Amino acid sequence: SQQGEEDPQALSIQEGENATMNCSYKTSINNLQWYRQNSGRGLVHLILIRSNEREKHSGRLRVTLDTSKKSSSLLITASRAADTASYFCATDANTDKLIFGTGTRLQVFP
Amino acid sequence: ETGVTQTPRHLVMGMTNKKSLKCEQHLGHNAMYWYKQSAKKPLELMFVYNFKEQTENNSVPSRFSPECPNSSHLFLHLHTLQPEDSALYLCASSRSGQGVNEQFFGPGTRLTVL
Repeated sequence: SQQGEEDPQALSIQEGENATMNCSYKTSINNLQWYRQNSGRGLVHLILIRSNEREKHSGRLRVTLDTSKKSSSLLITASRAADTASYFCATDANTDKLIFGTGTRLQVFP
Repeated sequence: ETGVTQTPRHLVMGMTNKKSLKCEQHLGHNAMYWYKQSAKKPLELMFVYNFKEQTENNSVPSRFSPECPNSSHLFLHLHTLQPEDSALYLCASSRSGQGVNEQFFGPGTRLTVL
């Protein structure tokens, strides 16, 4: 079964609102990464959080990691229409490979 | 631009054709990856090359044949594909395959098999 699962599968919000996406995984990890993908394009790395970190910020992005619950969340504050994309979490499952979830499709309406 | 380019961007081929996908990275990375992305499925890792050596073949059918002549270039040779192979094929690179680093993705090749 897949390592990462994002929740919700789809999210629609208005510009200016915050968007929160969650990721759950099954095995222990060294780090967890979040990626963004615009429709039909490649993925773009957003942020990496290590297993010994609990929270990380990058601009309007805030990522949390709870290793006891095997879960992570990505918060995008003050969303913009340009944030419309799919967001994926990826974990390493203590290997040298990344395993991606199915993603959350975020739609931000102007 | 991520520093990873892929050609062609779109490819339509018949089941009897032979074609190749090309990936090039300009980042000085040593690890390169092929992924397959199908609708409503997680991104599937196909192959990993680390310092030009294949370190991962994720049970990929032999109709997909990778080639890595150097650390900057990666090819995926295709022959006798099936319609279910239609997908977005993504190439990525990272500093090294040892441990997990940030991966940089190309824009992908949208493949349609008729």
